[in-house]
Amino acid sequence: GAVVSQHPSRVICKSGTSVKIECRSLDFQATTMFWYRQFPKQSLMLMATSNEGSKATYEQGVEKDKFLINHASLTLSTLTVTSAHPEDSSFYICSARDLGYGYTFGSGTRLTVV
Amino acid sequence: DAKTTQPPSMDCAEGRAANLPCNHSTISGNEYVYWYRQIHSQGPQYIIHGLKNNETNEMASLIITEDRKSSTLILPHATLRDTAVYYCIALMTTDSWGKLQFGAGTQVVVTP
Repeated sequence: GAVVSQHPSRVICKSGTSVKIECRSLDFQATTMFWYRQFPKQSLMLMATSNEGSKATYEQGVEKDKFLINHASLTLSTLTVTSAHPEDSSFYICSARDLGYGYTFGSGTRLTVV
Repeated sequence: DAKTTQPPSMDCAEGRAANLPCNHSTISGNEYVYWYRQIHSQGPQYIIHGLKNNETNEMASLIITEDRKSSTLILPHATLRDTAVYYCIALMTTDSWGKLQFGAGTQVVVTP
């Protein structure tokens, strides 16, 4: 089946630095990928839709200048958390639209900002 | 996409069937019912989806009522590894596929 690889699985960074998270579709091409954020004991919150070759579409309330999304190829989307602060600490998850089941998810990235 | 309603939690004994209900009374004719689950600190895992007919795969069965206003996910023989949050999502899948929006889901705890 479709596989989405997400890296890194865990990252700790200092406040004020930027962190990049990669999301790759391994065995299929994904023209559309999605980025979610999940705080402890809460559900997944959709942050943005990433479209290959065009600008990402952000959900209301999500700062586009803070969460930079690049989808430069049909198999790779990246999320960069810029000038990270402790309140950005969260579980970030990507998903990709495939032609089989519909949506396949990565394993998530646990970001801790200290 | 239509809103879905699920009970916040349910317990199930290991080896027994787990029946997870979902209400989607405002679902439209071209919206599918998708089920995902999320085991702690992992990405969501696809379980099953359907439109009108009942569906079965190696993981579960999906029973959709004739009026499509509700559905039930059935895990036939629950194991401890089935402990997870289960999400029922109504999703329009046309040429412009919808966005998966997650509600609160049902926390299922399978006990020995």
